[in-house]
Amino acid sequence: GQNIDQPTEMTATEGAIVQINCTYQTSGFNGLFWYQQHAGEAPTFLSYNVLDGLEEKGRFSSFLSRSKGYSYLLLKELQMKDSASYLCAVIDSNYQLIWGAGTKLIIKP
Amino acid sequence: GAVVSQHPSWVICKSGTSVKIECRSLDFQATTMFWYRQFPKQSLMLMATSNEGSKATYEQGVEKDKFLINHASLTLSTLTVTSAHPEDSSFYICSARGTGDIEAFFGQGTRLTVV
Repeated sequence: GQNIDQPTEMTATEGAIVQINCTYQTSGFNGLFWYQQHAGEAPTFLSYNVLDGLEEKGRFSSFLSRSKGYSYLLLKELQMKDSASYLCAVIDSNYQLIWGAGTKLIIKP
Repeated sequence: GAVVSQHPSWVICKSGTSVKIECRSLDFQATTMFWYRQFPKQSLMLMATSNEGSKATYEQGVEKDKFLINHASLTLSTLTVTSAHPEDSSFYICSARGTGDIEAFFGQGTRLTVV
C-alpha cells in the first residue's frame, strides 16, 4: 500500500528553527510537495522537490532523499504566524497525489 | 501561481436539501480537477478526480449518487451534495491541474454545515 508518515504535532519557540520530517512509501515517485494549511483555510503551496537535495526559499527549505524515501521541511526564524498544519504529499507513478496526515506546528512565544 | 476560485466560501443548509459548490480555474485550463473533504483536525481526503468531458472517478467509500461531480468545461467543475445530512458537514476543497502540469492549485474551500 501507499503510505506517508509525518509527526502529528510539534512545538517550537518563536525565533527558533524546526524540522518537520516526512517518510513515504509509494508506487512510483514523481515529486513531493509541502503545503501549509491554516485552520479553516485551503492549503497553500510551499515547495516542490523532485530531485535529491535541498531547495531553499527564504525562511523555508525542503530536502529530499529519494533513495531513503525521506523529506524534511525546515523552518527558520519562526514567527507566530507559522503556527499551522504542514502537509507532505507525494505524486505517485499514476500522477495521483498521496497526502500525509499533516503535522500541526505550535509556536510558543 | 494560477488562480482557482471556489464558491461559496461557506453555506448552511437544511437536512435533506442539495448544495452545489463551484470550482473555477480563472487563468488556466483545468483538464483535471480534484475534490477533497476535510473533517476537523484531519488531513485531506480525496473524494473524486474528474477530467474535463469525462465521468468522475470516485474513491472507495464515496457515494457517487450522493456527491455529483460535473466537469463540463476546462474552467468549471461542480460538486453537488444531494440530500445533505448533518454528517456531510465538512470542509470541501477543490484543486485544479492543467495538462502536463505537476502542481495542482487549490480553491479557497467551502465550509458546509447541514442543520
